Amino acid sequence: QSALTQPASVSGSPGQSITFSCTGTSSDVGGYNYVSWYQQHPGKAPKLMIYEVNNRPSGVSNRFSGSKSGNTASLTISGLQSEDEADYYCSSYTSTSTLGVFGGGTRLTVL
Amino acid sequence: QITLKESGPTLVQPTQTLTLTCTISGFSLSKSGVSVGWIRQPPGKALEWLALIFWDNDKRYSPSLKNRLTITKDTPKNQVVLTMTNVDPVDTATYYCAHGSKVNWALFYWGPGILVTVSS
Repeated sequence: QSALTQPASVSGSPGQSITFSCTGTSSDVGGYNYVSWYQQHPGKAPKLMIYEVNNRPSGVSNRFSGSKSGNTASLTISGLQSEDEADYYCSSYTSTSTLGVFGGGTRLTVL
Repeated sequence: QITLKESGPTLVQPTQTLTLTCTISGFSLSKSGVSVGWIRQPPGKALEWLALIFWDNDKRYSPSLKNRLTITKDTPKNQVVLTMTNVDPVDTATYYCAHGSKVNWALFYWGPGILVTVSS
């Protein structure tokens, strides 16, 4: 059982906007602005898409954005493209273990 | 250019000790704020944090695996080593090492991963 809760799957059509949720507790998501989002294509290593809730690393498209409200963080992809089809994982620092914790991942299907 | 690469055995027998090495380049393990973490992913399952070591040798472990894991670094060799004792088939997974920062707890660069199978 993962410490952060993510929906198992979401789907959308090209051009649409889609939002992923990531729910934790006050010991992780709600207590710190150390939420990151990772994209993982099949057979590949994860790629950092968002860090510190809403910051994009250099080279990541501005179609990706992040936010947080209370114990829930969100990742939004606008202008959905076929290459966005992948698994998405959220992660947060947690004071419970003073390490990071991942969500169970959400599989995005682009219809 | 920052790169990381995992190496080690791809097949381990149950009850044995697994030793994985992460060889890094493009940054120094002694630079303030730098961290290297180990994360694993069983086939078809989610990512799981295992351990993390900081530039100042501060170490963090997953509570559920703490008794079985040891993380160390060899700064001159640019390597971070993870040791897992008493492995079990449930430890079968792709193991990744990644470069992070204590400033934001994000993992900016990842190795390609190594699939380790635990089986007799």
